[in-house]
Amino acid sequence: NAGVTQTPKFQVLKTGQSMTLQCAQDMNHEYMSWYRQDPGMGLRLIHYSVGAGITDQGEVPNGYNVSRSTTEDFPLRLLSAAPSQTSVYFCASSYSGGLGNTQYFGPGTRLTVL
Amino acid sequence: RKEVEQDPGPFNVPEGATVAFNCTYSNSASQSFFWYRQDCRKEPKLLMSVYSSGNEDGRFTAQLNRASQYISLLIRDSKLSDSATYLCVVNKGGSQGNLIFGKGTKLSVKP
Repeated sequence: NAGVTQTPKFQVLKTGQSMTLQCAQDMNHEYMSWYRQDPGMGLRLIHYSVGAGITDQGEVPNGYNVSRSTTEDFPLRLLSAAPSQTSVYFCASSYSGGLGNTQYFGPGTRLTVL
Repeated sequence: RKEVEQDPGPFNVPEGATVAFNCTYSNSASQSFFWYRQDCRKEPKLLMSVYSSGNEDGRFTAQLNRASQYISLLIRDSKLSDSATYLCVVNKGGSQGNLIFGKGTKLSVKP
């Protein structure tokens, strides 16, 4: 089973460039989310979605956009990359956004912004 | 008080040892509690949920103390393969499923 997939695995950008991090899941999960993980920090929620067509901001949304046109896909867009966005990005999904649901993570995208 | 606080470690223990990790959380309205495991340069994976009455899964035991807003994880008979970072995770509060992650406690099990 594929589970949660993310592409690319690694990416280097220059300041000001834009790009889209892809995330897809094949488990028919309603809830999807994006986190960033920085050294010495816990995972921080960027954006999340409780179903197709519904998105909301997490703890650190600035500089990122999301959309959810299908249940399967939840891309994360960096509008104008900044060095502060150098991080490891994880996409996750769960059956629903309710309590107690296990979140399944993708393998991550390691992004460096020069 | 930070939302979820853990001792970062590292905890260096010999094989076969028993080791315990603690975690405190600040929001008394949190209702879901988990321990996730993260290997170096990998994604987090659910180790176990934590229930009010405490629960056990093989060598792993999790406890929750709501009054003290405290969660613990006990690992018995440590294996080399237990070496990882253990993340304490709670939901943001109430019925909301969004999760707050601790920074993690690093465990290194030595031969």
